[in-house]
Parts: sequence; structure tokens; C-alpha cells
Amino acid sequence: DTVMTQSPASMSTSVGERVTVNCKASQSVGTVVAWFQQKPGQSPKRLIYLATNRHTGVPDRFTGSGFGRDFTLTISNVEAEDLAVYYCLQYDSIPPTFGAGTKLELK
Amino acid sequence: EVQLVETGGGLVQPGNSLKLSCATSGFTFSTAWMNWIRQTPGKRLEWLAQIEDKSNNYFISYLESVKGRFTISRDDSKSSVYLQMNNLKEEDTAIYYCTTGSSGAYWGQGTLVTVSS
Repeated sequence: DTVMTQSPASMSTSVGERVTVNCKASQSVGTVVAWFQQKPGQSPKRLIYLATNRHTGVPDRFTGSGFGRDFTLTISNVEAEDLAVYYCLQYDSIPPTFGAGTKLELK
Repeated sequence: EVQLVETGGGLVQPGNSLKLSCATSGFTFSTAWMNWIRQTPGKRLEWLAQIEDKSNNYFISYLESVKGRFTISRDDSKSSVYLQMNNLKEEDTAIYYCTTGSSGAYWGQGTLVTVSS
């Protein structure tokens, strides 16, 4: 199975800052990676698919990048509503596997 | 608007069975690949199973650790997908979500399954 190593586990930031979340795959997955946002008490929501494509309605301050084994989710101009846990997913091979999550907290 | 509504969760004793249902609307279910994913109490997300559409002969894939205990199925006439879970174990305790597509485009609100004596 492909292991997705996600970092950091948590991070603290301020409104208006720029943050990055990283995922490293144990083997190449091309660009077959998605990113999700899960707010407290809610189900995960897809932000990005195929590494760089925003889901419908996702603000352009969310950007995905990467290819092969290394992937990044960048949130520019963080807003208070971005407080959440972020997960990466590789769906290039069965079984699809998730990263352990990154908790974004506001200072 | 895409909607997925899971039902069927609850408290069950180890060794017993449970069948989850996911009713959907707002998209063309018959051509959608459907998945079940669970979230453990520690918040880890785990993919469980996928069923493809008719054009792919309803091909099914499972996580190895649930193969033989869990069965995914679908009813295109009802726009619904199901997960039959047998011989449940305490480690199956989780929130169970149905999702659309390989990349999890849309998720339901989830249904809680608690396996405990």
C-alpha cells in the first residue's frame, strides 16, 4: 500500500498569513492526489483533485501543487473560517490511502 | 445539489452484523463510482470499498483487512449504495461515510457505528 506521510501534524497561524501542508507518498502516484478540509463536527470536503484542480466553489486562496511523490497544499491569506483539519489522499492505486491530517489553528 | 445520506449505524455487539445504506440525489448515480470510507475515533480516515458503474461491470475493490467481512452493493434504480458488515469487531467502531468517485468529490454526513459489548 502507498503510505502518505503528511506534515506538520499541527500548525498555528494568524489571519492573513500563508501556510503550507505537505504530503509525501511512499511511491510515485503521478498527480492522482486530492486534498480535503474537515471542520469540527462536519464531514470532509474536497478542496483539490488531480493535485492542482480546485473543486467547484473552492476559493482561489487554496492551491495544490506537486507531482510524483511530493505534494503541497498552500493556503494564502488565511481566514478564520479556515480553522480545520486538512487531509491528503492518493487514489492512484488500490487501496486509496490518506495522510494522517494537519490541524490548522489560529493564534 | 448533490446529497448523500447514510443510515443504519448504531450500537452492536462484537460478532454481530449491520447493514449501512446511502441514499443519493443531485447527480447521475448510475454512472458514478461509489465508495465507503470510515473515520476512526482517532480521526484517521480509512478507505474500505469501491463499486464501479454498470459500464465497468460493477467492478468491486476492498481494503484487504475487511475483505470477506464487508460487502458493498448498489441499486441504481434507488440511487443507493450499501455496505453489509458481518462479524463486527471493536476496531470497526467509526463514523462511516459514503462518497462519490475515486477522489471523494462528495461525502455524506456519516453514520456512527459502535461495536461494543
